[in-house]
Amino acid sequence: EIVLTQSPATLSLSPGQRATLSCRASHSVSTSLAWYQQKPGQAPRLLISEASNRATGIPPRFSGSGSGTDFTLNISSLEPEDFAVYYCQQSGDWPPITFGQGTRLEIK
Amino acid sequence: EGQLMESGGGLVQPGGSLRLSCAASGFSFSSSWMSWVRQAPGKGLEWVANIKQDSFEKYYVDSVKGRFIISRDNAKNSLYLQMNSLRADDSALYYCVRETQTPLGFPNWYFDLWGRGSLVTVSS
Repeated sequence: EIVLTQSPATLSLSPGQRATLSCRASHSVSTSLAWYQQKPGQAPRLLISEASNRATGIPPRFSGSGSGTDFTLNISSLEPEDFAVYYCQQSGDWPPITFGQGTRLEIK
Repeated sequence: EGQLMESGGGLVQPGGSLRLSCAASGFSFSSSWMSWVRQAPGKGLEWVANIKQDSFEKYYVDSVKGRFIISRDNAKNSLYLQMNSLRADDSALYYCVRETQTPLGFPNWYFDLWGRGSLVTVSS
């Protein structure tokens, strides 16, 4: 089973700042990695697939990069609505499809 | 864009059974791999099971193998999860989820459409 480890667990930043979230896989998943955003009381929303492809309707301030075992989600300039929990998910080696434990992005 | 709506959750005793349903609309359900993903209260996301368009392939996370059965009825645009021998650690919000496809129609197993979830609580 591929284990995904996200860091940091919590990230405290202010609107307008840049956010960098990390996801590390226990074994290579090539570029088969996605990022999701989840706000309280809502279902997750797909942001990025295939490590770097923005999903439909996702603003360009969200960008993903990486391959193999190390991946990054960048948010170039935080908007108030970006404060949420972010999950990475791999489909490179399954079953099972696995998620990271999440990074909480909170307002400083 | 599409919509998914789960039903069938509730309170059940340990060892009991429950059947979740998911009604799909607004997209080609019969062309989509579908999954169930769960989230325990205050916890992260866990993929539970998925099923191919024609039901010939089904996969499960180890913790539910032999207890849960995923199925679908393309004529009714519906997905199901039969949950047996339920345990306290199965308590979670269960999401019905559509899996993505490449532009050429190949699955790539990301999740682009989610329902609102159905809450399952296993407790005596």
